[in-house]
Amino acid sequence: ETGVTQSPTHLIKTRGQQVTLRCSSQSGHNTVSWYQQALGQGPQFIFQYYREEENGRGNFPPRFSGLQFPNYSSELNVNALELDDSALYLCASSLEGPYGYTFGSGTRLTVV
Amino acid sequence: ILNVEQSPQSLHVQEGDSTNFTCSFPSSNFYALHWYRWETAKSPEALFVMTLNGDEKKKGRISATLNTKEGYSYLYIKGSQPEDSATYLCASYNNAGNMLTFGGGTRLMVKP
Repeated sequence: ETGVTQSPTHLIKTRGQQVTLRCSSQSGHNTVSWYQQALGQGPQFIFQYYREEENGRGNFPPRFSGLQFPNYSSELNVNALELDDSALYLCASSLEGPYGYTFGSGTRLTVV
Repeated sequence: ILNVEQSPQSLHVQEGDSTNFTCSFPSSNFYALHWYRWETAKSPEALFVMTLNGDEKKKGRISATLNTKEGYSYLYIKGSQPEDSATYLCASYNNAGNMLTFGGGTRLMVKP
């Protein structure tokens, strides 16, 4: 079975720009969750997509948006980047519910 | 307890020492407790998912216990090895939000 792949692995953007991060889900999984890990903290939940619909959202502003595609891969879009958006972004795929989360290795975003 | 908290933040032990970490979580709306092992530049690797009060799980030299009534879980590593060096994350899944809430992690360093 394939794992979760995230792209790109590293990215540098300028404040005010927009960014798109990508995540492929593990074969057989229909749910993708996105997390932001700032330096020195644990991962914070951004949102979750289940069968192409947003299925839960954390405390992040609307400039954080997402998509899930029919093959269950997903994108995270961030508009109007701020310096505080610099972080590691993790995605995880799963079946609906609390079990079997498989994480990618993350995208390191630096906003300058 | 409002958030998921882990202690200690970091730990240095000698090869062969046994060690343990604590994860505290809100007991209201609790559904499941996850433990992950995360090596730098890799994906978080699932260790255990526990749901029932009194659950104990074991994987090689690593074991975990769960107390849902008081809202804590312990992770034990017996006879630590240098390859156990990693960050250990716990996360609580509650049935109110379709999401994992992570603690800040315990960074373990095992000296040969």
